[in-house]
This record gives sequence, structure tokens and C-alpha cells, in this order.
Amino acid sequence: EAGVAQSPRYKIIEKRQSVAFWCNPISGHATLYWYQQILGQGPKLLIQFQNNGVVDDSQLPKDRFSAERLKGVDSTLKIQPAKLEDSAVYLCASSLQTGVPYEQYFGPGTRLTVT
Amino acid sequence: AQTVTQSQPEMSVQEAETVTLSCTYDTSENNYYLFWYKQPPSRQMILVIRQEAYKQQNATENRFSVNFQKAAKSFSLKISDSQLGDTAMYFCAFMNPDSGTYKYIFGTGTRLKVLA
Repeated sequence: EAGVAQSPRYKIIEKRQSVAFWCNPISGHATLYWYQQILGQGPKLLIQFQNNGVVDDSQLPKDRFSAERLKGVDSTLKIQPAKLEDSAVYLCASSLQTGVPYEQYFGPGTRLTVT
Repeated sequence: AQTVTQSQPEMSVQEAETVTLSCTYDTSENNYYLFWYKQPPSRQMILVIRQEAYKQQNATENRFSVNFQKAAKSFSLKISDSQLGDTAMYFCAFMNPDSGTYKYIFGTGTRLKVLA
């Protein structure tokens, strides 16, 4: 089966510009996660969707970050305007359901550099 | 709030040798899951092994095994017969299924290099 797809793989922007990342989860996976992985740190959850509803966005900087998951499949994460500290790898993950075995499947990530 | 600590930023091991990566966590919950994920260079993160807190038996997956010490809140990963392909970042993660979100709390990772 196809894995979690993300695009673009790399993006370089200047501060105050906007950027969008796209994620296509594994077919049939109801739960979708966006993580931010800053260099030297572990991934931090930004937002979690169950189908097309938000389950947890407590760590999403809502003044500049937004995310949507239309029709409960693909998802887009947007940053507007970007700051230098947003430089990180943005990981998308999906899971079959919120139940055992709780395994999350990760995409390759988008490496964002803000200059 | 739960926290996960990986105190070894980098480790190296000779091919075919055994290495142990450390992880400690802090929680007041009794029901939880612990995971080790592997992130090879420029590749996606994949699950290595999973441990349910209610199971006393340590999980094993081929060359990978864990030493789960619930009272000490310790969850170490042992890699036996290390191979060059084991070179990667290894993340320990905690998840409480009773939280309603099932989100992972990750440690900061250990960079493992297997030497030929």
C-alpha cells in the first residue's frame, strides 16, 4: 500500500512570506497529524484531525498557522507570515483509527528554511 | 503533563555489536503505550517496537528488544547484532489512550551510528 505522501520535500522562503504544505494520508486512515520537528528536538504535535474535525490544536500558533482537512482525506498546513523560528521539518502522519495498535505512519516530511 | 527524556544525544556501535538506548518518562497515568521510532537519514520515521504498560513481558521484534521498568519509568531499547542499516535517529514516544487525543509525546532523540 502507498505510504503517507507530502509535498513539497523542501522549501526556502523569506520571513514574512507565506507557505503551504500538503499531505495525503494512507487510504482509509481516519486520523491525521501534523508535527513540527525543529533541529535537535523531537517532533511536536501541531494539530490532529479525526476525519475532517479537529481533535487537538492546542500547540498550533493560531495567529500564523492554519490547517484544514477537507473531505476527511488530504490536508494542508499553512504558515502566514513565516518567522525565522518556523524553520523546521513538518511531518504528516496518519493512523487507521484512534485505537489499538495506535501506530502512526509518517510521511517523509517537508524541510522548511526561513531566511 | 507527561515528559519523555532521552539523555544520550549521540551513540556509536561497531557492526555486529549490541547497543542500548535509554529513555525515561514521567507520568501519573497507569494506562499508556510506549514506542521506539527510527528515522533514517532523509527517510521517514518508522515504528521499531511498541510496549503496552499493562504487559509485564518485554516486547521483542527480531533484533530489537526493550527493557521496560514500569516502577522506574524506564524504557530502553536494545539492538543486537547491529547492522549498518540501523544508523538513524531513534525517538522514544509516550501515548496515553485515555487522553482522548492519542497524541505522541516524543523525546529529543538519540543519533545512532553503526560503524563498519
